[in-house]
Amino acid sequence: KQEVTQIPAALSVPEGENLVLNCSFTDSAIYNLQWFRQDPGKGLTSLLLIQSSQREQTSGRLNASLDKSSGRSTLYIAASQPGDSATYLCAVSLDYGNNRLAFGKGNQVVVIP
Amino acid sequence: DAMVIQNPRYQVTQFGKPVTLSCSQTLNHNVMYWYQQKSSQAPKLLFHYYDKDFNNEADTPDNFQSRRPNTSFCFLDIRSPGLGDAAMYLCATSAIGAGQFEKLFFGSGTQLSVL
Repeated sequence: KQEVTQIPAALSVPEGENLVLNCSFTDSAIYNLQWFRQDPGKGLTSLLLIQSSQREQTSGRLNASLDKSSGRSTLYIAASQPGDSATYLCAVSLDYGNNRLAFGKGNQVVVIP
Repeated sequence: DAMVIQNPRYQVTQFGKPVTLSCSQTLNHNVMYWYQQKSSQAPKLLFHYYDKDFNNEADTPDNFQSRRPNTSFCFLDIRSPGLGDAAMYLCATSAIGAGQFEKLFFGSGTQLSVL
């Protein structure tokens, strides 16, 4: 069974610092990995999707890397802003063809002005 | 804007009283998913529709059912809600084809309370 772990559960950083969020998964046979953002009491917003054949994806201040063999992904957020405060969830695909995802519990981030 | 819409935003039901949550999409995606998310927990996949084909997760209780009458709409039915079913229910869509996996698009969720 695929297990996705995100540590730490919560972290605070001063505004302007770079954020580094880590995700690990137990089964390296994934088809893609996605990072999502969730604001309190809201749905999830997709940030980045990395196909299994890719090593990283970038969008603006966000960069996500994927190391399938070691079962790890890292999300970098450059020059953090108070608006980046949210929970960030990592998810890996469970199978080919249906895009069923297994999620981690998330990293709750607070950016202090 | 194209989007995934869930109604209602908040739903309160009584223990054992059937409840239906709804989801609609204007993205014309062929796959729709229902996830359950309890407080501070990871979202858990309940089931999904690939076009008209229903796919249940092995550990989804029989108490949970789903209907997809057309491409745009999908419903989650909880036949006899228990206190443990209080959670945020998230609907999501995805366009799958030609070996490429698109991002999942989520609705804002329905927060279900069971009294």
